[in-house]
Amino acid sequence: DTGVSQDPRHKITKRGQNVTFRCDPISEHNRLYWYRQTLGQGPEFLTYFQNEAQLEKSRLLSDRFSAERPKGSFSTLEIQRTEQGDSAMYLCASSSPGENSPLHFGNGTRLTVT
Amino acid sequence: GNSVTQMEGPVTLSEEAFLTINCTYTATGYPSLFWYVQYPGEGLQLLLKATKADDKGSNKGFEATYRKETTSFHLEKGSVQVSDSAVYFCALSDLPNDYKLSFGAGTTVTVRA
Repeated sequence: DTGVSQDPRHKITKRGQNVTFRCDPISEHNRLYWYRQTLGQGPEFLTYFQNEAQLEKSRLLSDRFSAERPKGSFSTLEIQRTEQGDSAMYLCASSSPGENSPLHFGNGTRLTVT
Repeated sequence: GNSVTQMEGPVTLSEEAFLTINCTYTATGYPSLFWYVQYPGEGLQLLLKATKADDKGSNKGFEATYRKETTSFHLEKGSVQVSDSAVYFCALSDLPNDYKLSFGAGTTVTVRA
């Protein structure tokens, strides 16, 4: 179990630029989640994949955000035309479908929009 | 909609002290309740969970009981250690293995030797 891996760990970008983050879940996990965490707050659900299908998206995920999981393995989260309000920690998590399977989180990608 | 309110921090304790972190929730139906912990420099990890009323989750000396009548899931540990210093998050979901979680804001706990 190598854990959930996220890349990059930190990203600083200028307002208006596009950014893309990558998440590699634990290999046998078919469910993948993206969360966003701002300073002093708990994580907020963004979107959820089961295999390659994106099954749910939060209202927080504006049309500037897009997530993909093309082969049901790694996932990418792209933010277009970044705004300062997008500055946050973006967390990826995965789980297997088993009844007592816990959610495993990665260490996150910290985005700073200047 | 679902929401979680947890005790504001930061909380500073001495080693071997008793720790309680209050958590109350608002939800329709019968949610599952979780406590997650984030140690310094690490990702969030599940500490314990309870999926129905009166269930008690426990792990690493921590306990929390699902109280439907008071809509609460308070976290307790009888004797904390320095290694328990972390941020603790209460969370809920509509289904036991549905990880579309609603998190509280987190409580930072520091244990001094």
